[in-house]
Amino acid sequence: GAGVSQSPSNKVTEKGKDVELRCDPISGHTALYWYRQRLGQGLEFLIYFQGNSAPDKSGLPSDRFSAERTGESVSTLTIQRTQQEDSAVYLCASSLDGGLNQPQHFGDGTRLSIL
Amino acid sequence: GDSVTQMEGPVTLSEEAFLTINCTYTATGYPSLFWYVQYPGEGLQLLLKATKADDKGSNKGFEATYRKETTSFHLEKGSVQVSDSAVYFCALASYNTDKLIFGTGTRLQVFP
Repeated sequence: GAGVSQSPSNKVTEKGKDVELRCDPISGHTALYWYRQRLGQGLEFLIYFQGNSAPDKSGLPSDRFSAERTGESVSTLTIQRTQQEDSAVYLCASSLDGGLNQPQHFGDGTRLSIL
Repeated sequence: GDSVTQMEGPVTLSEEAFLTINCTYTATGYPSLFWYVQYPGEGLQLLLKATKADDKGSNKGFEATYRKETTSFHLEKGSVQVSDSAVYFCALASYNTDKLIFGTGTRLQVFP
């Protein structure tokens, strides 16, 4: 597709379960970002992948959060033993080469609700 | 550290009214500045940007001027439409952290 694709669009799960969120970046984009958007708040950076470099994980809030990316394609964000405070919209973005002046193209997000 | 402060919303306007959404920043050096817009049910998309002082970014009737002296990048539009109803995020490119730093967003509601 032409844009960043995220799935699922909505996920409701019970506290303590693991969840996996998927992001398909724009083809040819080497940089991929994950953000968390809590209700009424701004975007919180989670993790950044750039090509084959080691990812920047500095924004991950705890060791329950992890993410992987295969080459320059799909990325998955995994949250283990989910807690209610994990409820948020998780946004993925990609950009051409990770340069800060490059526009980031966002997916529509995954709305995660922890019961 | 680098940060962005936006006016709190919601901003409620009638169609054809003038819009200003304030944004100020704190940063080392001269970061690039951005406005992103998030329409209901959609992801963020870049609205406009400015990369150096006194630059004016513009798109879809929206404008913002990079003011170094006041560390501001206020978003303006002369005549808003119902279709402009969305959440607007100001952001800066932080060369300290090599990341985009976003404000908390300002919800705009335009009524006919």
